[in-house]
Amino acid sequence: DADVTQTPRNRITKTGKRIMLECSQTKGHDRMYWYRQDPGLGLRLIYYSFDVKDINKGEISDGYSVSRQAQAKFSLSLESAIPNQTALYFCATSDQTGQGAGQYFGAGTRLSVL
Amino acid sequence: SQKIEQNSEALNIQEGKTATLTCNYTNYSPAYLQWYRQDPGRGPVFLLLIRENEKEKRKERLKVTFDTTLKQSLFHITASQPADSATYLCALSYGGATNKLIFGTGTLLAVQP
Repeated sequence: DADVTQTPRNRITKTGKRIMLECSQTKGHDRMYWYRQDPGLGLRLIYYSFDVKDINKGEISDGYSVSRQAQAKFSLSLESAIPNQTALYFCATSDQTGQGAGQYFGAGTRLSVL
Repeated sequence: SQKIEQNSEALNIQEGKTATLTCNYTNYSPAYLQWYRQDPGRGPVFLLLIRENEKEKRKERLKVTFDTTLKQSLFHITASQPADSATYLCALSYGGATNKLIFGTGTLLAVQP
């Protein structure tokens, strides 16, 4: 089984709908991240969390919210989806033992907002 | 603001040759730099990390250099194989102990048999 699991893998929704993307991990890492990837723009950080009680905005948090339900679960919500939120979304984890730990990514969720 | 540049054009090389990918950055001094591999439809996979006080790091056929004066990292794959074909991303740290990363857009490497 994958260490970082994202569900769903693909989602098509309509403008104005609320949707949730889910991420769970079995790596035992405290740190979790949500990114979006767009062609030509690379990966951009939406939110990150260093433990269950710690949630921080990334560079593009507007229009998104997150919930860290447990150490292993970190969900991303789009309260009212809009077409420019069409993108590939990735969840990632890292441990906190020493600065510079590599991040471990899920397989991604491809989201289309019509 | 921080800016990272990777070759936007695809790099095509012959099997067995050394592939060299470039990552340039401006406007800040990262404590470390990471390289990732990404295959189509998959998430990035962490390959290597190099810190600001390190000039070079090696792992099997991979070698990374980090020149903080030039603000540049080079990523080398020696004896390249078709299986090395993928997009390679560089990522630089920012935010001190937060371990946040800013990613480049990646370079597509195609190794021809």
